[in-house]
Amino acid sequence: DAMVIQNPRYQVTQFGKPVTLSCSQTLNHNVMYWYQQKSSQAPKLLFHYYDKDFNNEADTPDNFQSRRPNTSFCFLDIRSPGLGDAAMYLCATSPGSTDTQYFGPGTRLTVL
Amino acid sequence: DQQVKQNSPSLSVQEGRISILNCDYTNSMFDYFLWYKKYPAEGPTFLISISSIKDKNEDGRFTVFLNKSAKHLSLHIVPSQPGDSAVYFCAASGDAGGTSYGKLTFGQGTILTVHP
Repeated sequence: DAMVIQNPRYQVTQFGKPVTLSCSQTLNHNVMYWYQQKSSQAPKLLFHYYDKDFNNEADTPDNFQSRRPNTSFCFLDIRSPGLGDAAMYLCATSPGSTDTQYFGPGTRLTVL
Repeated sequence: DQQVKQNSPSLSVQEGRISILNCDYTNSMFDYFLWYKKYPAEGPTFLISISSIKDKNEDGRFTVFLNKSAKHLSLHIVPSQPGDSAVYFCAASGDAGGTSYGKLTFGQGTILTVHP
């Protein structure tokens, strides 16, 4: 089945220790997104790639970076995680021809 | 500034009855609306969508209604089943002017509980 995969599902890191979250897709979609979702809040878009074209949301902290080495993979790097970065991180894809996005299961990040 | 609002944090319904989830938006540039369902520890699952050129879209037990003049949409689930118990998010796109292609703006979600 075509899908969006996120690894790991649960990630624990220490305050200030860099962490990388991974997303892969078998849908061959052009667009990949990263969202942050904190408890009881709406998912918040951090950035997205349209093919290799990177688009950062204006209010995304510099601490968050992303890489998309090929169509299938996209990474979220948090350079110096703070306690406030503990959240669920959701990856989503879209074919680009519609605005419907398809989400992965998410990675729950804990910062100690 | 919350452009998409789901004012009911929770809804409780008896199995077999209708569930009605509501969503309001403020940005008149939105032209595409979606509903997602989310179980605990999983990502949101796409449920149904509607374009602003329509006022109703139906898929099995799920129907979405759009009232553009009121900037309001609703999701009807008939009949409701216990397996429908989840968090439901509405989302909107079409906020032109930015660089966010297909950016979705989400509401905060409504927790639906369907009792047997």
